[in-house]
Amino acid sequence: DIQMTQSPSSLPASLGDRVTITCRASQDIGNYLRWFQQKPGKSPRLMIYGATNLANGVPSRFSGSRSGSDYSLTINSLESEDMAIYYCLQHNEYPPTFGAGTKLELK
Amino acid sequence: QVQLKETGPGLVQPTQTLSITCTVSGFSLTSYYMQWVRQTPGKGLEWMGFIRSGGSTEYNSEFKSRLSISRDTSKNQVFLKMNSLKTEDTGVYYCARERFAYWGQGTLVTVSS
Repeated sequence: DIQMTQSPSSLPASLGDRVTITCRASQDIGNYLRWFQQKPGKSPRLMIYGATNLANGVPSRFSGSRSGSDYSLTINSLESEDMAIYYCLQHNEYPPTFGAGTKLELK
Repeated sequence: QVQLKETGPGLVQPTQTLSITCTVSGFSLTSYYMQWVRQTPGKGLEWMGFIRSGGSTEYNSEFKSRLSISRDTSKNQVFLKMNSLKTEDTGVYYCARERFAYWGQGTLVTVSS
């Protein structure tokens, strides 16, 4: 199975900060990478698909990028509603595998 | 409006079988894959399997020997059945539409005697 190594596991940040979360794939996954946001007691919400494309309704302060086998989610000008756990998912081959998550919290 | 909702038993005893129903609305099961994902304290988010729009299935080998996914298109329902439950299977079980753009609210399953 493809391993998705996500970092950091915890990210303290202040409102207005620019933050970046990274996932590294153990094998080539092309651009078959999605990012999800999950708030307590809620199901995951798709934020980014195809590594760089914003899902419907997602604010433009969110962006996705790729450098080789490293995939990043960046949030510009952090807002309080962005505090959540973020997960990456590769779906290039089965089984799809998730990263372990990054908890974004207020510093 | 696309909606998905899981209903499950809540509490299941070890070694017993888990049955969860995902009821969907706003789209046809004959047009989309339906995925099952679970979230456990021990392993986080895990993809379990899916049923294709044509009705064939694919399973994560992690669960293959004890997992079954089926559907009733006339009732807009997808079913997950998993046997030989262990305490480590405790978690929230989600159904999601094909590309994970839509998820149900999840159903908490506790495996305990």
